[in-house]
Amino acid sequence: AQKVTQAQTEISVVEKEDVTLDCVYETRDTTYYLFWYKQPPSGELVFLIRRNSFDEQNEISGRYSWNFQKSTSSFNFTITASQVVDSAVYFCALSDLNQGGKLIFGQGTELSVKP
Amino acid sequence: DVKVTQSSRYLVKRTGEKVFLECVQDMDHENMFWYRQDPGLGLRLIYFSYDVKMKEKGDIPEGYSVSREKKERFSLILESASTNQTSMYLCASSLARYSNQPQHFGDGTRLSIL
Repeated sequence: AQKVTQAQTEISVVEKEDVTLDCVYETRDTTYYLFWYKQPPSGELVFLIRRNSFDEQNEISGRYSWNFQKSTSSFNFTITASQVVDSAVYFCALSDLNQGGKLIFGQGTELSVKP
Repeated sequence: DVKVTQSSRYLVKRTGEKVFLECVQDMDHENMFWYRQDPGLGLRLIYFSYDVKMKEKGDIPEGYSVSREKKERFSLILESASTNQTSMYLCASSLARYSNQPQHFGDGTRLSIL
């Protein structure tokens, strides 16, 4: 069965610190997709990234970077030089071909960045 | 940009009422989803739809129904609201059934059942 685990329920950092959010997934399929979403206090989930299982290249977008490692079934998210505006709940999610577009979400990690 | 619009940000209803939550997307997406979000439980899928007039149960469909008469609109119905349905409800849409494209979410509806 598919499963996504975000073991960190809450993380608190001081502004300008780097922070890594962990995501571990389980699936039996060889073709699957991984996603990260951000949910700020206002409530809407904002899509950040999608990565397919055949692309293990790490990705960087500004202060955000993602480390995909199939060997450990992990898709971790790092924010460099965190800012107060990064405070949000972050969700990791998994989809495979059998899910028909459904997402399996992790429980979310609440990140608090203090000034 | 994809726009998913939920009819209300905040809603207060009474126990036993029939409640309608509306969701509209403007990108001609085939897939639409309804989730509820509760502290400590993450997002749980209630119902989803791959096409007009189609609906499929998610993980927690009990006490809910849905309607999709037009492609752009997906309604969630609480047949007889109960206090345990107080929650944040999120609607999402995505391109097509096996496209594995990201889901795009609305702003959410915070529903309180008194």
